[in-house]
Amino acid sequence: AQKVTQAQTEISVVEKEDVTLDCVYETRDTTYYLFWYKQPPSGELVFLIRRNSFDEQNEISGRYSWNFQKSTSSFNFTITASQVVDSAVYFCALSDTGRRALTFGSGTRLQVQP
Amino acid sequence: SQTIHQWPATLVQPVGSPLSLECTVEGTSNPNLYWYRQAAGRGLQLLFYSVGIGQISSEVPQNLSASRPQDRQFILSSKKLLLSDSGFYLCAWSDHTPNTEAFFGQGTRLTVV
Repeated sequence: AQKVTQAQTEISVVEKEDVTLDCVYETRDTTYYLFWYKQPPSGELVFLIRRNSFDEQNEISGRYSWNFQKSTSSFNFTITASQVVDSAVYFCALSDTGRRALTFGSGTRLQVQP
Repeated sequence: SQTIHQWPATLVQPVGSPLSLECTVEGTSNPNLYWYRQAAGRGLQLLFYSVGIGQISSEVPQNLSASRPQDRQFILSSKKLLLSDSGFYLCAWSDHTPNTEAFFGQGTRLTVV
Protein backbone atom coordinates (compact mmCIF):
# COMPACT_ATOMS: atom_id res chain seq x y z
CA ALA A 1 0.00 0.00 0.00
CA GLN A 2 1.16 3.50 -0.65
CA LYS A 3 1.25 6.25 1.91
CA VAL A 4 2.42 9.84 2.14
CA THR A 5 3.26 11.40 5.49
CA GLN A 6 3.61 15.10 6.15
CA ALA A 7 4.40 15.21 9.83
CA GLN A 8 4.38 18.98 10.09
CA THR A 9 0.80 20.08 10.52
CA GLU A 10 1.52 23.79 10.68
CA ILE A 11 4.61 25.94 10.37
CA SER A 12 4.87 29.64 11.10
CA VAL A 13 7.82 31.73 9.95
CA VAL A 14 8.65 35.37 9.58
CA GLU A 15 9.05 36.80 6.12
CA LYS A 16 12.48 36.23 4.55
CA GLU A 17 13.15 33.12 6.58
CA ASP A 18 13.86 29.86 4.79
CA VAL A 19 11.46 27.03 5.48
CA THR A 20 11.52 23.31 4.65
CA LEU A 21 8.41 21.19 4.35
CA ASP A 22 8.95 17.50 4.92
CA CYS A 23 7.42 14.64 2.98
CA VAL A 24 8.00 10.94 3.56
CA TYR A 25 6.43 8.31 1.34
CA GLU A 26 5.91 4.57 1.23
CA THR A 27 5.50 2.47 -1.88
CA ARG A 28 6.43 -1.02 -3.03
CA ASP A 29 6.98 0.07 -6.61
CA THR A 30 10.37 0.83 -8.06
CA THR A 31 8.83 3.27 -10.51
CA TYR A 32 6.80 6.07 -9.01
CA TYR A 33 6.28 9.81 -9.17
CA LEU A 34 6.19 12.44 -6.49
CA PHE A 35 4.36 15.75 -6.58
CA TRP A 36 3.95 18.94 -4.63
CA TYR A 37 0.82 21.09 -4.74
CA LYS A 38 0.03 24.45 -3.18
CA GLN A 39 -3.45 25.25 -1.87
CA PRO A 40 -3.85 29.01 -1.28
CA PRO A 41 -6.79 30.34 0.77
CA SER A 42 -8.96 30.34 -2.37
CA GLY A 43 -8.94 26.53 -2.20
CA GLU A 44 -7.78 25.52 -5.65
CA LEU A 45 -4.78 23.17 -5.72
CA VAL A 46 -1.92 24.48 -7.81
CA PHE A 47 0.55 22.01 -9.25
CA LEU A 48 4.18 22.83 -8.42
CA ILE A 49 6.39 19.93 -9.42
CA ARG A 50 6.54 16.28 -10.51
CA ARG A 51 9.61 14.09 -10.08
CA ASN A 52 10.12 10.46 -11.05
CA SER A 53 11.84 7.86 -8.93
CA PHE A 54 14.83 7.57 -11.25
CA ASP A 55 15.78 11.21 -11.03
CA GLU A 56 17.30 12.09 -7.69
CA GLN A 57 18.75 15.37 -8.78
CA ASN A 58 17.63 18.29 -6.70
CA GLU A 59 15.58 20.86 -8.52
CA ILE A 60 15.46 24.59 -8.09
CA SER A 61 12.87 26.96 -9.46
CA GLY A 62 13.30 30.51 -8.27
CA ARG A 63 12.87 30.53 -4.50
CA TYR A 64 11.62 26.93 -4.51
CA SER A 65 13.82 23.87 -4.31
CA TRP A 66 13.13 20.19 -3.88
CA ASN A 67 15.35 17.54 -2.34
CA PHE A 68 14.55 13.95 -3.31
CA GLN A 69 16.35 11.24 -1.32
CA LYS A 70 15.39 7.71 -2.23
CA SER A 71 17.47 6.26 0.62
CA THR A 72 15.20 7.92 3.17
CA SER A 73 12.02 7.92 1.02
CA SER A 74 11.76 11.66 1.35
CA PHE A 75 10.87 14.48 -1.02
CA ASN A 76 11.31 17.72 0.89
CA PHE A 77 10.39 21.18 -0.31
CA THR A 78 12.30 24.32 0.67
CA ILE A 79 11.18 27.89 0.20
CA THR A 80 14.01 30.37 0.40
CA ALA A 81 13.38 33.91 1.62
CA SER A 82 9.72 33.22 2.28
CA GLN A 83 7.10 35.80 1.45
CA VAL A 84 3.59 36.42 2.76
CA VAL A 85 2.20 35.16 -0.56
CA ASP A 86 3.72 31.77 0.21
CA SER A 87 1.16 31.31 2.97
CA ALA A 88 -0.87 28.27 1.97
CA VAL A 89 -1.36 24.60 2.61
CA TYR A 90 1.19 22.47 0.79
CA PHE A 91 0.50 18.90 -0.19
CA CYS A 92 2.91 16.18 -1.15
CA ALA A 93 1.51 13.38 -3.32
CA LEU A 94 2.57 10.03 -4.75
CA SER A 95 1.62 8.13 -7.86
CA ASP A 96 2.70 4.61 -8.67
CA THR A 97 1.66 1.87 -11.05
CA GLY A 98 -0.86 0.47 -8.60
CA ARG A 99 -3.28 3.37 -8.79
CA ARG A 100 -4.67 5.71 -11.37
CA ALA A 101 -4.91 8.65 -8.98
CA LEU A 102 -2.60 10.52 -6.66
CA THR A 103 -2.30 9.66 -2.99
CA PHE A 104 -1.97 12.83 -0.95
CA GLY A 105 -0.41 13.56 2.40
CA SER A 106 -2.42 15.43 5.01
CA GLY A 107 -0.79 18.74 4.10
CA THR A 108 1.32 21.32 5.91
CA ARG A 109 -0.12 24.74 6.58
CA LEU A 110 2.53 27.42 6.16
CA GLN A 111 1.96 30.83 7.68
CA VAL A 112 4.43 33.54 6.68
CA GLN A 113 4.17 36.54 8.97
CA PRO A 114 5.17 39.99 7.69
CA SER B 1 -5.38 25.69 -23.00
CA GLN B 2 -7.32 23.43 -20.70
CA THR B 3 -9.64 24.73 -18.02
CA ILE B 4 -11.77 23.05 -15.42
CA HIS B 5 -14.97 24.49 -14.04
CA GLN B 6 -16.68 23.39 -10.88
CA TRP B 7 -19.87 24.69 -9.33
CA PRO B 8 -21.35 25.81 -7.11
CA ALA B 9 -18.54 27.32 -5.08
CA THR B 10 -20.46 27.16 -1.83
CA LEU B 11 -23.46 25.11 -0.79
CA VAL B 12 -25.43 24.75 2.42
CA GLN B 13 -27.83 21.84 2.43
CA PRO B 14 -30.04 20.26 5.11
CA VAL B 15 -29.53 16.69 6.21
CA GLY B 16 -31.50 14.31 4.03
CA SER B 17 -31.57 16.56 1.00
CA PRO B 18 -30.12 15.53 -2.39
CA LEU B 19 -26.84 16.78 -3.81
CA SER B 20 -25.53 17.42 -7.28
CA LEU B 21 -22.12 18.93 -7.93
CA GLU B 22 -20.97 19.44 -11.48
CA CYS B 23 -17.55 19.63 -13.06
CA THR B 24 -16.65 20.26 -16.69
CA VAL B 25 -13.33 20.35 -18.48
CA GLU B 26 -12.56 22.35 -21.60
CA GLY B 27 -9.69 22.20 -24.03
CA THR B 28 -9.01 18.48 -23.90
CA SER B 29 -10.76 15.27 -24.84
CA ASN B 30 -11.18 11.97 -23.01
CA PRO B 31 -9.54 13.12 -19.80
CA ASN B 32 -9.30 11.13 -16.61
CA LEU B 33 -11.62 12.75 -14.11
CA TYR B 34 -11.54 12.65 -10.32
CA TRP B 35 -13.55 13.69 -7.30
CA TYR B 36 -11.66 14.31 -4.08
CA ARG B 37 -12.95 15.37 -0.69
CA GLN B 38 -11.01 17.41 1.83
CA ALA B 39 -12.38 17.34 5.35
CA ALA B 40 -11.58 20.34 7.52
CA GLY B 41 -7.87 20.43 8.36
CA ARG B 42 -7.17 17.15 6.62
CA GLY B 43 -5.73 15.83 3.40
CA LEU B 44 -7.44 14.89 0.18
CA GLN B 45 -9.36 11.66 -0.05
CA LEU B 46 -10.06 10.21 -3.47
CA LEU B 47 -13.76 9.45 -3.86
CA PHE B 48 -14.20 8.51 -7.52
CA TYR B 49 -12.27 8.45 -10.73
CA SER B 50 -13.28 7.91 -14.33
CA VAL B 51 -11.21 6.97 -17.36
CA GLY B 52 -14.06 7.39 -19.84
CA ILE B 53 -17.78 7.97 -20.36
CA GLY B 54 -19.82 5.76 -18.10
CA GLN B 55 -16.73 4.29 -16.44
CA ILE B 56 -16.65 5.10 -12.75
CA SER B 57 -14.47 3.60 -10.05
CA SER B 58 -15.32 4.15 -6.42
CA GLU B 59 -12.54 4.34 -3.91
CA VAL B 60 -14.48 4.50 -0.69
CA PRO B 61 -17.94 3.09 0.10
CA GLN B 62 -20.09 6.01 1.10
CA ASN B 63 -23.26 7.94 0.69
CA LEU B 64 -22.15 9.45 -2.61
CA SER B 65 -22.20 8.43 -6.26
CA ALA B 66 -20.63 9.78 -9.43
CA SER B 67 -21.62 9.81 -13.06
CA ARG B 68 -19.97 10.81 -16.31
CA PRO B 69 -22.74 11.43 -18.83
CA GLN B 70 -20.46 13.20 -21.30
CA ASP B 71 -16.77 13.03 -22.09
CA ARG B 72 -15.84 16.16 -20.16
CA GLN B 73 -18.56 16.25 -17.54
CA PHE B 74 -18.33 14.65 -14.11
CA ILE B 75 -21.15 14.80 -11.57
CA LEU B 76 -21.08 13.98 -7.87
CA SER B 77 -24.44 13.13 -6.34
CA SER B 78 -26.17 12.01 -3.22
CA LYS B 79 -29.80 11.05 -2.66
CA LYS B 80 -29.75 11.94 1.04
CA LEU B 81 -26.97 13.99 2.59
CA LEU B 82 -25.49 13.18 5.98
CA LEU B 83 -23.77 15.59 8.35
CA SER B 84 -20.54 13.71 7.68
CA ASP B 85 -20.73 14.66 3.99
CA SER B 86 -19.68 18.21 4.86
CA GLY B 87 -16.33 19.15 3.38
CA PHE B 88 -14.51 20.69 0.47
CA TYR B 89 -15.02 18.81 -2.78
CA LEU B 90 -12.50 19.10 -5.54
CA CYS B 91 -12.81 17.93 -9.11
CA ALA B 92 -9.65 17.25 -11.09
CA TRP B 93 -8.57 16.05 -14.49
CA SER B 94 -5.47 14.51 -15.98
CA ASP B 95 -4.55 13.09 -19.34
CA HIS B 96 -3.98 9.37 -19.79
CA THR B 97 -0.22 9.51 -19.50
CA PRO B 98 0.68 7.27 -16.56
CA ASN B 99 1.62 9.03 -13.34
CA THR B 100 0.90 12.47 -14.70
CA GLU B 101 -0.09 15.46 -12.63
CA ALA B 102 -3.74 16.29 -12.06
CA PHE B 103 -5.24 19.76 -12.44
CA PHE B 104 -7.87 20.88 -10.00
CA GLY B 105 -11.00 22.97 -10.07
CA GLN B 106 -11.68 25.66 -7.53
CA GLY B 107 -13.70 23.40 -5.28
CA THR B 108 -17.13 23.36 -3.67
CA ARG B 109 -17.46 23.97 0.03
CA LEU B 110 -20.42 21.89 1.21
CA THR B 111 -21.95 22.36 4.63
CA VAL B 112 -24.66 19.96 5.67
CA VAL B 113 -26.82 21.35 8.45
